[in-house]
Amino acid sequence: EVQLVESGGGLVKPGGSLRLSCAASGFTFSSYSMNWVRQAPGKGLEWVSSISSSSSYIYYADSVKGRFTISRDNAKNSLYLQMNSLRAEDTAVYYCARESSGWSPFQHWGQGTLVTVSS
Amino acid sequence: VIWMTQSPSLLSASTGDRVTISCRMSQGISSYLAWYQQKPGKAPELLIYAASTLQSGVPSRFSGSGSGTDFTLTISCLQSEDFATYYCQQYYSFPRTFGQGTKVEIK
Repeated sequence: EVQLVESGGGLVKPGGSLRLSCAASGFTFSSYSMNWVRQAPGKGLEWVSSISSSSSYIYYADSVKGRFTISRDNAKNSLYLQMNSLRAEDTAVYYCARESSGWSPFQHWGQGTLVTVSS
Repeated sequence: VIWMTQSPSLLSASTGDRVTISCRMSQGISSYLAWYQQKPGKAPELLIYAASTLQSGVPSRFSGSGSGTDFTLTISCLQSEDFATYYCQQYYSFPRTFGQGTKVEIK
């Protein structure tokens, strides 16, 4: 069974940093592209970043470019999101999501981790 | 950037109704469109991909159609468990984009 478990969320002050992790199990992690998607309270879904299976291709939403860094460790079956210079508008539940194959829809999602940016 | 217009934003319906949700793209995306269902406090779930292919385990009352710029999600006979928020998403190009969402509520 595919499992994605996010961790690392919490309360951080504006301008601060946070590192999210997503632990994957139940599939060959190194074979799949991975993504971060966020959802602000009461709002819709917003794609944040994608990384290919071997980390060769990385993409970011304009809203986080230059502040967030996506990475993965295939030996540890883990996906990461380093978030710097956090702003109030980054407050959201952050989901990691696995694509079905290549670049494709998000077939599997974690339960999400809440990031709150507030003074 | 491919912009998406999803409508309506709110849909009031009764159990047994047939409902349709529309998603329009600012440019053609062939059939690289997915639909997701999200219930409160839960992660989204993939319903349909490639515009019209039902994800495994999804009931057949859900269907998708369209290609290019205009897409539709149809629920043929609304069940109580279908009251949720639905999102379209294009995966034709980066940045990936989602529609604004359609909340299907009980009339």
